[in-house]
Amino acid sequence: AQSVAQPEDQVNVAEGNPLTVKCTYSVSGNPYLFWYVQYPNRGLQFLLKYITGDNLVKGSYGFEAEFNKSQTSFHLKKPSALVSDSALYFCAVRDGYRGSTLGRLYFGRGTQLTVWP
Amino acid sequence: GAGVSQTPSNKVTEKGKYVELRCDPISGHTALYWYRQSLGQGPEFLIYFQGTGAADDSGLPNDRFFAVRPEGSVSTLKIQRTERGDSAVYLCASKGPSTDTQYFGPGTRLTVL
Repeated sequence: AQSVAQPEDQVNVAEGNPLTVKCTYSVSGNPYLFWYVQYPNRGLQFLLKYITGDNLVKGSYGFEAEFNKSQTSFHLKKPSALVSDSALYFCAVRDGYRGSTLGRLYFGRGTQLTVWP
Repeated sequence: GAGVSQTPSNKVTEKGKYVELRCDPISGHTALYWYRQSLGQGPEFLIYFQGTGAADDSGLPNDRFFAVRPEGSVSTLKIQRTERGDSAVYLCASKGPSTDTQYFGPGTRLTVL
């Protein structure tokens, strides 16, 4: 069965410091991995994805994520946090085998990131 | 360009009533998904359309929930005999044929009193 775990409900970091939001996954086939961000009363905004290729993927707003197959992780990172990065972050996975889950995403519970000035 | 739109943005109804939630996907996107997000949780899959047909409806919680996409574009999620436990944000997403990325709308917040 597919699942995602985000072990931290909250992450707090000072502006200018690096940030990491953790994600681990379980999937039966090759994972397709995604990060989305949600601002209050807004929908999910796509940040980045890993499908295949280089394990380090770069996305919107200076975010990046590293795919680690042996640790089944896909942690979100940013070298220098901004106050405006404060939001709810969701990791999601789908099975890369197109015949199985037909593209549905499985989401983690979300991590609230707070960046203080 | 226009993103995914959902109407209404908020819906308050009474227990037992019928509601319809509408999703207008990005033009040209053949795949459409409905998810439900309860307070403090991540989105949970409800149903997936490829064109006009429901390719996967295994996430619908019971037979009070139904969704249609008659012309392969706009979709309507229908909930009969609403219950207080149906209160949540209902999210719609669409995906184009040449991408694996689902793009989400702003959601409809449903409150059942």
